[in-house]
Amino acid sequence: QSALTQPPSVSAAPGQKVTISCSGSNSNIGNNYVCWYQQLPGTAPKLLIYDNYKRSSGIPDRFSGSKSGTSATLGITGLQTGDEADYYCGTRDSILSSWVFGGGTKLTVL
Amino acid sequence: QITLKESGPTLVKPTQTLTLTCTFSGFSLSTTGLGVGWIRQPPGKALEWLALIYWNDDKRYSPSLQSRLTITKDTSKNQMVLTMTNMDPVDTATYFCAHSQRENGPYYFDYWGQGILVTVSS
Repeated sequence: QSALTQPPSVSAAPGQKVTISCSGSNSNIGNNYVCWYQQLPGTAPKLLIYDNYKRSSGIPDRFSGSKSGTSATLGITGLQTGDEADYYCGTRDSILSSWVFGGGTKLTVL
Repeated sequence: QITLKESGPTLVKPTQTLTLTCTFSGFSLSTTGLGVGWIRQPPGKALEWLALIYWNDDKRYSPSLQSRLTITKDTSKNQMVLTMTNMDPVDTATYFCAHSQRENGPYYFDYWGQGILVTVSS
């Protein structure tokens, strides 16, 4: 069971916007910065967002991150079929003394 | 250009020790502030962080696996090695190594290897 909770799946049509939530606690999201990773089928994860909202090199501004309290959100606008992937949030947990990830959210672009 | 690649056995027997090597290029693990970590992913499941070694040889391990894990680095060879003892079928997973750094927050993993699928079976 993951320390961070994500919805198992989300879906939206091409061109639309989708948000993916990540819920944690004061020991992780509440007192730390959050990252987001995209994992296309059969490939390694790719860093999208770090420090809550900063886009990694080469990541288009269609991807955005935010944090409020013990939750974080990844937003994707102008959805493309190439965005179909699993998305993971991650941060450090000060009580567990460990990096933790969410359970992952599968994005389907209908 | 930063690249990482994992190597090692793809099949190990229960109770054996797994040794994986991460060979990287495009950076030096003697550079202040950098780290290299290991993350694994069982088939169809989520990511799980295992260990992280810093430029200064400081090391961090997953508390749940700490007794079974050891990481070392060889800066001259641009390699990092993970050993995991007493392997069990539940350890079957793709093992990734990843370059790690930080700005304001905790270290994040910004470059990943392709991963190596390790199956534990007799």
